[in-house]
Amino acid sequence: KAGVTQTPRYLIKTRGQQVTLSCSPISGHRSVSWYQQTPGQGLQFLFEYFSETQRNKGNFPGRFSGRQFSNSRSEMNVSTLELGDSALYLCASSPVVSGRNEQFFGPGTRLTVL
Amino acid sequence: AQSVAQPEDQVNVAEGNPLTVKCTYSVSGNPYLFWYVQYPNRGLQFLLKYITGDNLVKGSYGFEAEFNKSQTSFHLKKPSALVSDSALYFCAVRDSSNTGKLIFGQGTTLQVKP
Repeated sequence: KAGVTQTPRYLIKTRGQQVTLSCSPISGHRSVSWYQQTPGQGLQFLFEYFSETQRNKGNFPGRFSGRQFSNSRSEMNVSTLELGDSALYLCASSPVVSGRNEQFFGPGTRLTVL
Repeated sequence: AQSVAQPEDQVNVAEGNPLTVKCTYSVSGNPYLFWYVQYPNRGLQFLLKYITGDNLVKGSYGFEAEFNKSQTSFHLKKPSALVSDSALYFCAVRDSSNTGKLIFGQGTTLQVKP
């Protein structure tokens, strides 16, 4: 099976712009989670989707949003970009939402905000 | 609130020597514990997990981890380190609720020297 894919791999934006990142989970996986990784804050949970519904949300401002489509693909959007949004954004998938399941991560999208 | 601590920013070992990467956790309820590894410019790769049962869990690439409930620890171990094990290691926890949300430690850089 193909792994989790994320596009684009790299993005450069300027402050005030908005950005959309895409994630395609492993075939058959219906749960998708997003994480932000920065040197200062480490890995932080953004949101979790299952069957097109947001199941859980981390402590991020409303500028961060996401959605999931009927084919389980997910997108996240960041509006009004700030310098502090520069980070590696990781998407992870699992078959269902379960505390017992490991998540499989994509390679990430590196976002740089200038 | 759930939390994970990895007390060492970096661990240095010589190739062929045993290695330990430490992790302690705090959750309400029974913990689900995970170890992931991240190589440069890559996403996270799953190594192993503890859900229930035997306290010693075996995972990928010869790694194992020991769950200690009384000490709330889940240390990652390997009997004989390889230079190729050099990477960033993350411990993560979920509580027993029905969520995929992972709480990560800050990460420990493992440096294996020839």
